[in-house]
Amino acid sequence: SAVISQKPSRDICQRGTSLTIQCQVDSQVTMMFWYRQQPGQSLTLIATANQGSEATYESGFVIDKFPISRPNLTFSTLTVSNMSPEDSSIYLCSASVLGPQETQYFGPGTRLLVL
Amino acid sequence: AQSVAQPEDQVNVAEGNPLTVKCTYSVSGNPYLFWYVQYPNRGLQFLLKYITGDNLVKGSYGFEAEFNKSQTSFHLKKPSALVSDSALYFCAVRDLINTGGFKTIFGAGTRLFVKA
Repeated sequence: SAVISQKPSRDICQRGTSLTIQCQVDSQVTMMFWYRQQPGQSLTLIATANQGSEATYESGFVIDKFPISRPNLTFSTLTVSNMSPEDSSIYLCSASVLGPQETQYFGPGTRLLVL
Repeated sequence: AQSVAQPEDQVNVAEGNPLTVKCTYSVSGNPYLFWYVQYPNRGLQFLLKYITGDNLVKGSYGFEAEFNKSQTSFHLKKPSALVSDSALYFCAVRDLINTGGFKTIFGAGTRLFVKA
């Protein structure tokens, strides 16, 4: 299994600023993902973080708004840029050790409030 | 594209009674199906998965799920519910993408309330 940690666990930010969320996995993983979840609602995939190349974004999400880095097999960052109150959400990092049959693990989430 | 549907927003059950949380899927090819649980103010926890083999899959905390190909369903079950099972449950399907990777698509979630 993989243990995933995220920093910060929560933050309150002002409109127009940016926040970078860090995700650290305790073992080398094949794939890393970033999700967004409104409290009590479903998870929406933002993007797949690819090591050494640009992230693969889902429809409705763009690199300028959510730049992602993945410099190695155990670490990724998600930046929420030029924030607005609509960006208030829980951001979850996720990782899978091997292929599509393998279990996908999730971090505890970063709870973001934009004022 | 692959998808899953959870037709019930909420399920209420009395402690000690059997529980079922429903999930139907729509996939092309072989389905990779998962159940996750989210307790209040906590991260997502893996419960069980179906890849291939026996249609009845056993998972964590006494939960099991039955894969039914003819009904395209993957319902989560537990013979005797506990108050501590009260949480948000997500059905999910793995979608392969053309780069050789994959992504996981989640259902809307079903909130389970177990009453003492």
